[in-house]
Amino acid sequence: GAVVSQHPSRVICKSGTSVKIECRSLDFQATTMFWYRQFPKKSLMLMATSNEGSKATYEQGVEKDKFLINHASLTLSTLTVTSAHPEDSSFYICSARDLQSAEAFFGQGTRLTVV
Amino acid sequence: GQQLNQSPQSMFIQEGEDVSMNCTSSSIFNTWLWYKQDPGEGPVLLIALYKAGELTSNGRLTAQFGITRKDSFLNISASIPSDVGIYFCAGRLNAGNNRKLIWGLGTSLAVNP
Repeated sequence: GAVVSQHPSRVICKSGTSVKIECRSLDFQATTMFWYRQFPKKSLMLMATSNEGSKATYEQGVEKDKFLINHASLTLSTLTVTSAHPEDSSFYICSARDLQSAEAFFGQGTRLTVV
Repeated sequence: GQQLNQSPQSMFIQEGEDVSMNCTSSSIFNTWLWYKQDPGEGPVLLIALYKAGELTSNGRLTAQFGITRKDSFLNISASIPSDVGIYFCAGRLNAGNNRKLIWGLGTSLAVNP
């Protein structure tokens, strides 16, 4: 089955620093990747959709300069949280889909804590 | 953003009992999906429904796509401790380039062994 690997699973960083989260499709080519944010005991909130080789489409209210998304290859997308603040602490999840799949598959998620 | 009405919010049941949860929407969807999320993990797709009235099973799980296209339910039969987790429904319209999923708020399931 399709496997999406997300790294790191947990990260703690200091305020003001930047953190990069990687999302890899291990056995398929991900033409589209989605980045979500999830607060405790809440549902998933879509942040942005990226198609390989083009700029990401951000959802309303999500700062594109704050959350940089790069989808440079068919197997890798990255989310960089720039100048992190404690309010950026959250669970970030990626999902990936190829042209053959009807649905996207999710990564394991990244727990970000900004101190 | 738009969210689906998912109920119940939480359930506490005894092992062996059956479970039912549902989602409703004010707008129609062409796809209904049911996911399970374990603590600290990403969601895992359980069942996908693509046709109004469709009834699909996956082991002890059964889900149906409502005739009105505005609702779906998920049943779990003979629950076991590993069924514990949060279950999310998600709907999608599939109109044009719109493949965005609209999510329910989740149903937290606890199973007493």
